[in-house]
Amino acid sequence: EAGVTQFPSHSVIEKGQTVTLRCDPISGHDNLYWYRRVMGKEIKFLLHFVKESKQDESGMPNNRFLAERTGGTYSTLKVQPAELEDSGVYFCASSQASGYNEQFFGPGTRLTVL
Amino acid sequence: GQQLNQSPQSMFIQEGEDVSMNCTSSSIFNTWLWYKQEPGEGPVLLIALYKAGELTSNGRLTAQFGITRKDSFLNISASIPSDVGIYFCAGLVYNQGGKLIFGQGTELSVKP
Repeated sequence: EAGVTQFPSHSVIEKGQTVTLRCDPISGHDNLYWYRRVMGKEIKFLLHFVKESKQDESGMPNNRFLAERTGGTYSTLKVQPAELEDSGVYFCASSQASGYNEQFFGPGTRLTVL
Repeated sequence: GQQLNQSPQSMFIQEGEDVSMNCTSSSIFNTWLWYKQEPGEGPVLLIALYKAGELTSNGRLTAQFGITRKDSFLNISASIPSDVGIYFCAGLVYNQGGKLIFGQGTELSVKP
């Protein structure tokens, strides 16, 4: 069974540009989470989808970040316009059910904003 | 908000040595988890702890859920080179949809 996949693995953009990250969860997993790790700090929760609905977006830094999960399958996270402080590794995770079911993480997208 | 303080930040040890790392919080958690991240990969679950006071082993790894529910430790015995990576603790509170609160990570280097 395929794991969580993320695309691209790396992205280098200039301040002010737009970037879209994609996450494909494990097939059949209704719950999809986005997290971010800024250099050397903790992995921080961004938001949680249950199917196509946003369950919790309390961790989204500001309105330059937009997450979607149309059709309840893959998800995209768009940053527009990107700022220097958005640099970091963005992880996606999926689980079968919310509450405590093991979350399986993707390899992450390393975003560098110059 | 909820925050986990993980220590140490990094460790450089010799192969065969034992390792200990811990996480503390001012908040109570219902579940404590320990993850390992290797270069180019996402975090992978090592051990999950569900009850205060619980002590769980997974091979050379042992973790405990603190009795106050505000702390946890992870021990690795007889370290080997493939133990290299970043270890994260994470806490979970029921009724928060599965949102994980992570510590800052402990970067482990093992010298053969």
